[in-house]
Amino acid sequence: DIQMTQSPSSVSASVGDRVTITCRASQDIRSYLAWYQQKPGTAPKLLIYAASTLQSGVPSRFSGSGSGTDFTLTISSLQPEDFATYFCHQANSLPFTFGPGTKVDIK
Amino acid sequence: QVQLQESGPGLVKPSETLSLTCTVSGGSIRTGRDYWNWIRQSPGKGLEWIGNIYYGGTPKYNPSLKSRVTISEFPSNNQFSLQVNSVTAADTAIYYCARSRRGADWFDPWGQGILVTVSS
Repeated sequence: DIQMTQSPSSVSASVGDRVTITCRASQDIRSYLAWYQQKPGTAPKLLIYAASTLQSGVPSRFSGSGSGTDFTLTISSLQPEDFATYFCHQANSLPFTFGPGTKVDIK
Repeated sequence: QVQLQESGPGLVKPSETLSLTCTVSGGSIRTGRDYWNWIRQSPGKGLEWIGNIYYGGTPKYNPSLKSRVTISEFPSNNQFSLQVNSVTAADTAIYYCARSRRGADWFDPWGQGILVTVSS
């Protein structure tokens, strides 16, 4: 199985801050990476797929980059509704696997 | 747009079988271009992909669960299902169904999830 790691595991930030989350795959997954946002009590929501493509309806302050084994999710200016947990997911090979998550909370 | 909804018992006894159904609305599971997935989330294991099926196809399973899992489709009801045999407390989790597309295996949309607790 491909192992996914994320850093940091949590980050405290203020509204307006730039936040960067890193995801690393244990082997080359090309650009088959997605990012999800999850708020308490709700299902994950797809934000970015194919490493850098913004899902329809997702604000442009979210962006993704990377390929191979190293990927980044950036929130350019954190908004109150962005406080949540973010997961990466590799869709390169079965079984699909997820990162452990990064919790973004209020400083 | 497509919506998914999980249903089933919220409490299952150890050693018994967990059975859940996902009902798809706003679209058909017969498209053949869509995969229908089961994913679970627990505090201990995080998000775990269980398996998927596509219309008329052979289900794919996570090897970690393969010996205990069956995913089936019911096109006439626009539903698909999950069975997990011989459950233990480690199977306690929120279970989600979700759609993905051939060649684009990101999950969207997801159902709201259903908490299943394994306890006597």
